[in-house]
Amino acid sequence: AQKVTQAQTEISVVEKEDVTLDCVYETRDTTYYLFWYKQPPSGELVFLIRRNSFDEQNEISGRYSWNFQKSTSSFNFTITASQVVDSAVYFCALSALNQGGKLIFGQGTELSVKP
Amino acid sequence: GAGVSQSPSNKVTEKGKDVELRCDPISGHTALYWYRQSLGQGLEFLIYFQGNSAPDKSGLPSDRFSAERTGGSVSTLTIQRTQQEDSAVYLCASSLQRESSEQFFGPGTRLTVL
Repeated sequence: AQKVTQAQTEISVVEKEDVTLDCVYETRDTTYYLFWYKQPPSGELVFLIRRNSFDEQNEISGRYSWNFQKSTSSFNFTITASQVVDSAVYFCALSALNQGGKLIFGQGTELSVKP
Repeated sequence: GAGVSQSPSNKVTEKGKDVELRCDPISGHTALYWYRQSLGQGLEFLIYFQGNSAPDKSGLPSDRFSAERTGGSVSTLTIQRTQQEDSAVYLCASSLQRESSEQFFGPGTRLTVL
């Protein structure tokens, strides 16, 4: 069975602080895909990144970076120099090959960035 | 281009009534998914459609839930004899392929069962 755990329910930081959102996953499949989505207060889920299980290169996009480590089954997300607009709920998700693409979501981490 | 659209945006119904929720996917996307987001259960997969293949209904919580996708495009999720525990936000998503592609989500339909 697949499972995604986001142990941090809520995080509160002050603007310009760096923050890391943790994601740990479980799957028996050797081929799988990991995702991060952002859900701002408006409610619509916004895609941030996709990673496949064979690509462990870390990725950086502006102030966002992702650290994928198969050895620890983790796919952590770091926001550098956080801004108030980063306030949202962030979801980590897993999709395994031969599961039709359905996403298994973690419980989400609510990030609050205060000015 | 246009994103995924859903209607209605809000639906309030009485317990026992049937409801229909609609999803218009992004044009050209062959895969369509329904999810449910509720406080107690988080984001849960309900059902997905891929082209002309039989849908994967493994996430539907009961036989009161059904969905169809006509002409490979628009999809309707139907909940019969609604119960209060059906209250949630129902999200639709579409993608170009299946496992490897990112899913684009609609704004959701907030269902409240009184």
